Amino acid sequence: GDSVTQMEGPVTLSEEACLTINCTYTATGYPSLFWYVQYPGEGLQLLLKATKADDKGSNKGFEATYRKETTSFHLEKGSVQVSDSAVYFCALRQTTYTGKSGTSYGKLTFGQGTILTVHP
Amino acid sequence: DGGITQSPKYLFRKEGQNVTLSCEQNLNHDAMYWYRQDPGQGLRLIYYSQIVNDFQKGDIAEGYSVSREKKESFPLTVTSAQKNPTAFYLCASSKSALTWNEQFFGPGTRLTVL
Repeated sequence: GDSVTQMEGPVTLSEEACLTINCTYTATGYPSLFWYVQYPGEGLQLLLKATKADDKGSNKGFEATYRKETTSFHLEKGSVQVSDSAVYFCALRQTTYTGKSGTSYGKLTFGQGTILTVHP
Repeated sequence: DGGITQSPKYLFRKEGQNVTLSCEQNLNHDAMYWYRQDPGQGLRLIYYSQIVNDFQKGDIAEGYSVSREKKESFPLTVTSAQKNPTAFYLCASSKSALTWNEQFFGPGTRLTVL
């Protein structure tokens, strides 16, 4: 089945440091890839997405490139801020998925999450 | 403002009791979802509903039940049959269940079994 593997955290950085959070996936076909962010005590928010190979998603200074040859979607930011402290989830959505009842829907498969803490 | 609300934010339950978590959306979305989040793990799908009066089991439906009597509401009941119910529960919705529709998440309910 589909799976997503993220680098283990927690990741602790100083403000203005560079960030990379690794994400690799296993899936058949051509899934869409996502990064979600979860701030303390809140639900998930979509950070960025890429729907096909070589697409680059970007938002709020974060970037990730869909690399089909390495099955990766690493999250990067050149200069992190204290306000970036959160949990980051990599996820994939299959083009089609048939549930146990036989109905199809766009199932999201999540990685385990990476805690990022940025100190002043 | 449109969005998804979940209540309560924190919920405590004694062992052996059923408890119902609320999820309401005013985004006019057809599809709704319930996920469970445990420390160090990604989100796991409990149930999903593509339209009113229809719902399907996700990957970890045992010990849970849902209903979808109204488009805007998708309550989740955690029954006494759920062996390890302490977790953070997230509700989500999307315009439809098809692959290209983004899922929007609510703020979550943290359930603790005492």
